[in-house]
Amino acid sequence: AQSVAQPEDQVNVAEGNPLTVKCTYSVSGNPYLFWYVQYPNRGLQFLLKYITGDNLVKGSYGFEAEFNKSQTSFHLKKPSALVSDSALYFCAVRDPSQTGANNLFFGTGTRLTVIP
Amino acid sequence: EPEVTQTPSHQVTQMGQEVILRCVPISNHLYFYWYRQILGQKVEFLVSFYNNEISEKSEIFDDQFSVERPDGSNFTLKIRSTKLEDSAMYFCASSVLRLYEQYFGPGTRLTVT
Repeated sequence: AQSVAQPEDQVNVAEGNPLTVKCTYSVSGNPYLFWYVQYPNRGLQFLLKYITGDNLVKGSYGFEAEFNKSQTSFHLKKPSALVSDSALYFCAVRDPSQTGANNLFFGTGTRLTVIP
Repeated sequence: EPEVTQTPSHQVTQMGQEVILRCVPISNHLYFYWYRQILGQKVEFLVSFYNNEISEKSEIFDDQFSVERPDGSNFTLKIRSTKLEDSAMYFCASSVLRLYEQYFGPGTRLTVT
């Protein structure tokens, strides 16, 4: 069965500092991994995805994530945090080896607060 | 930039009433989804829809729920007899193809009293 863990409910970082939001996953096949961001009263916005290829994927707003198969992780990173990055971040996984597996399994979310 | 839209943004209903939540997916997308997020909890998959039929559904999606694409643009979620525990934010999403990234709408907050 697929699952996603986001071990930190809350991450605080000073503006200008690098940020990391952690995600680990569990699937039976090769994972498709996604990061979404949710701003207050808004839907989920797609940030980036890993399907195959380079382990480091780049996405919107300067975010990137590194796929690590041995550690089953897909941490979200940004070299220099902005106050406007403050939001709720969700990691999601899909196992394409599961027949009819269209759906995403989401983590519980990590609230990122960037302190001016 | 095309986006998924949902109406209404907030729906208040009494227990036992029927509600219909509406979504307009991105026009060239072929797969449609409903998810829900109970306050403070994770986003949960309800159902996916392709080629005018359900392709997958979760345990949450019981007989009280149904989906429909009544015309070429709308995608609806109907809850026949709402319960208090149906109170949640309901998100519609769409994707070009089955395994591509999904784009989410802003959500409909359903409050059942």
